[in-house]
Amino acid sequence: EPEVTQTPSHQVTQMGQEVILRCVPISNHLYFYWYRQILGQKVEFLVSFYNNEISEKSEIFDDQFSVERPDGSNFTLKIRSTKLEDSAMYFCASSESPGLYGYTFGSGTRLTVV
Amino acid sequence: AQKITQTQPGMFVQEKEAVTLDCTYDTSDPSYGLFWYKQPSSGEMIFLIYQGSYDQQNATEGRYSLNFQKARKSANLVISASQLGDSAMYFCAMREEYGNKLVFGAGTILRVKS
Repeated sequence: EPEVTQTPSHQVTQMGQEVILRCVPISNHLYFYWYRQILGQKVEFLVSFYNNEISEKSEIFDDQFSVERPDGSNFTLKIRSTKLEDSAMYFCASSESPGLYGYTFGSGTRLTVV
Repeated sequence: AQKITQTQPGMFVQEKEAVTLDCTYDTSDPSYGLFWYKQPSSGEMIFLIYQGSYDQQNATEGRYSLNFQKARKSANLVISASQLGDSAMYFCAMREEYGNKLVFGAGTILRVKS
């Protein structure tokens, strides 16, 4: 069964450093998403991406965050200068169409900022 | 305003018995979709079941069924014949008509006892 692949599974970084979280969505999917889950809390929407541009973003997704689909297969989330409060599980998801129940989540990247 | 409310922070169920996890939602859109995801301790998000707002029948997927009561704006997940492997966090989520993001509830931790 097709799956969304995220790398790395766990990343530890120093506060103030840049991190890039990588995702390979399902190949025929057109919509891509990043979500965040702080430990023990709810899953929060960060950003959605369609047709090579951001279609929606949340208040969390400030200037420190950016997304890119550099090569037609990867979908990346960059955090420019990490803060302690960025420590969370980051999920990538993709869907063929949001009108169908085709949201597939990756296994997540656990980001720890020290 | 809280879009998705899961009022049960934790639930216990005896193995082989059925359990209902509650979810209420708030939207003024006529068209929306409701989702349930399972998050085991390993952290990944596993899609369980989907209900569209115009679906006439309650959704079912194996041991999972969704008790959809549109007038009450509730979408409770019913797990029949609970298994030890059902122990996990369960999230209810909604997609509204004019948007493609999922909004999640706070989750319910389910523990199945042997």
